[in-house]
Amino acid sequence: DVVMTQTPPSLSVAIGQSVSISCKSSQSLVYSDGKTYLHWLLQSPGRSPKRLIYQVSNLGSGVPDRFSGTGSQKDFTLKISRVEAEDLGVYYCAQTTHFPWTFGGGTKLELK
Amino acid sequence: QVQLKETGPGLVQPTQTLSITCTVSGFSLTSYYMQWVRQTPGKGLEWMGFIRSGGSTEYNSEFKSRLSISRDTSKNQVFLKMNSLKTEDTGVYYCARGLEYWGQGVMVTVSS
Repeated sequence: DVVMTQTPPSLSVAIGQSVSISCKSSQSLVYSDGKTYLHWLLQSPGRSPKRLIYQVSNLGSGVPDRFSGTGSQKDFTLKISRVEAEDLGVYYCAQTTHFPWTFGGGTKLELK
Repeated sequence: QVQLKETGPGLVQPTQTLSITCTVSGFSLTSYYMQWVRQTPGKGLEWMGFIRSGGSTEYNSEFKSRLSISRDTSKNQVFLKMNSLKTEDTGVYYCARGLEYWGQGVMVTVSS
């Protein structure tokens, strides 16, 4: 199985600060069609996960452009510019290139 | 408007079978993959499997021997059945359309 490793496990931030979360996979996430199926989700407290970014860098519907995703092959980054209170929660990366689909362990974003 | 809602038992005894129904609205099951993801204290988010728009299934080998996913397109429902439950299967079970739309989840406790 593809192992997804997220760092750091937790982040303490002030509102308005910018942060980055890393996600590294144990195998390349480039599929045979040339696309990279790496996604980012946010699980706010008490809520279901919500997809923020799909295929590395594409913003989901209604997701503010404070969020951005970059990376390739096995190394990916989610950046949040100007953190707002509604951004707090646990961020997960997920890959759907290889079966079984797998998730990272999560990065908890908290207020400083 | 896309909506998904899981219904199922809150408590299941060890060795018994778990049955959860996901009722969807706002789209057709014959046009989208529907997956099951669970979230447990021990392993975090785990992809369990999905049923394709055409009705074929794909399972995580972690669950393959005891998991079944099916659907009733006339009722807009997707079903999860997993047998031989263990206490480690305690967690929240989600149905999702891709990673974009998620149900609210159903908490399942495996205990005698």
